[in-house]
Amino acid sequence: GAVVSQHPSRVICKSGTSVKIECRSLDFQATTMFWYRQFPKQSLMLMATSNEGSKATYEQGVEKDKFLINHASLTLSTLTVTSAHPEDSSFYICSARFSSGAGELFFGEGSRLTVL
Amino acid sequence: AQTVTQSQPEMSVQEAETVTLSCTYDTSESDYYLFWYKQPPSRQMILVIRQEAYKQQNATENRFSVNFQKAAKSFSLKISDSQLGDAAMYFCAYRSAIRAGKSTFGDGTTLTVKP
Repeated sequence: GAVVSQHPSRVICKSGTSVKIECRSLDFQATTMFWYRQFPKQSLMLMATSNEGSKATYEQGVEKDKFLINHASLTLSTLTVTSAHPEDSSFYICSARFSSGAGELFFGEGSRLTVL
Repeated sequence: AQTVTQSQPEMSVQEAETVTLSCTYDTSESDYYLFWYKQPPSRQMILVIRQEAYKQQNATENRFSVNFQKAAKSFSLKISDSQLGDAAMYFCAYRSAIRAGKSTFGDGTTLTVKP
């Protein structure tokens, strides 16, 4: 299967700072990537769809200015949590899929964000 | 809008035994894809198995197989000869083949494998 790499796996930051999480498709080009947030023992909550070369599509209730998504190339999407607060602490996951076919998702390892 | 329902928040199985995880979905579309994903304690999700709705034959991947009932909108996952490494949270997911876009996930089922 395809490989998606996500970094950092863990990050601790102070309240008010910004944190950037990277998601890379290592062996295929991903025109579309997805960003999720996951709370313990719960399902994935889709935050936004990241489209290469265009603006991300955010789900209802997700603050665009707080969760900045950039998909500058076919292999890299980034999520920046701006002015992070303790309530932003969570597990963030990215995924990517091929542009054709069934569209199964390939997931990154996830990033555990802790805001102090 | 499509919905995916996993009615079993938790399941347990004895090692080497068989377990079935349930999934139902609601859609008005006829062409779509269904998936089962596994999220082990390490947290990285991986694809377990997929099913194209136009295929009548149930998908199989080694010890994993599905029972796809299109009319009933049911898509259960059967794990045979359960192993300790099967312990994980399992998510059922739906994706439209017509309106290609995001996948819809169920709430997940946590599977415990007892030695």
